[in-house]
Amino acid sequence: LAKTTQPISMDSYEGQEVNITCSHNNIATNDYITWYQQFPSQGPRFIIQGYKTKVTNEVASLFIPADRKSSTLSLPRVSLSDTAVYYCLVGEMIYNQGGKLIFGQGTELSVKP
Amino acid sequence: DAMVIQNPRYQVTQFGKPVTLSCSQTLNHNVMYWYQQKSSQAPKLLFHYYDKDFNNEADTPDNFQSRRPNTSFCFLDIRSPGLGDAAMYLCATSRQNQNQPQHFGDGTRLSIL
Repeated sequence: LAKTTQPISMDSYEGQEVNITCSHNNIATNDYITWYQQFPSQGPRFIIQGYKTKVTNEVASLFIPADRKSSTLSLPRVSLSDTAVYYCLVGEMIYNQGGKLIFGQGTELSVKP
Repeated sequence: DAMVIQNPRYQVTQFGKPVTLSCSQTLNHNVMYWYQQKSSQAPKLLFHYYDKDFNNEADTPDNFQSRRPNTSFCFLDIRSPGLGDAAMYLCATSRQNQNQPQHFGDGTRLSIL
């Protein structure tokens, strides 16, 4: 399974755009890139998933370059409630075994007023 | 509406006394997972069920067992809890289909006296 590397922590201010980059040099052909958000004392929550180029949903955008060895989660205009740990995962679906997610260290995002 | 429900949210047990944590889901997903998350660490996959097929991670201690009596329920049994087993235990579900995201419960925080 591909290992992911992301910054341990980031600081931002309300209203700013936040970009969190994750490197996954050993990503395999079948791997998708998925980001989760986790608040204290809660389970991780799915944010966005992509395979290549750009994906956008109502909460975030995910940018993936052609070589797929990295990806960037973009959070537009963050608020205090976006303070959380963000995990980048590269997962695969193993036939007849479901998906297997190996969490990296995560990025602790702190949004200040 | 809660879709992955873990009970109880907090569990206290004594050193060496067996304990069971429960998870139920209303999503009818065929894959269910158990993760262990220690303080300030990322979730670590213990094992998962693909339907009734059990898949254990290689480094999951024998002290940890699991049961899945039906699609909706999954249990984590810790036969002889040690102090090092104090952690948040997270249950998650996903569909079989390619790269479907995992849905997490809010976890059970286990304390060992």
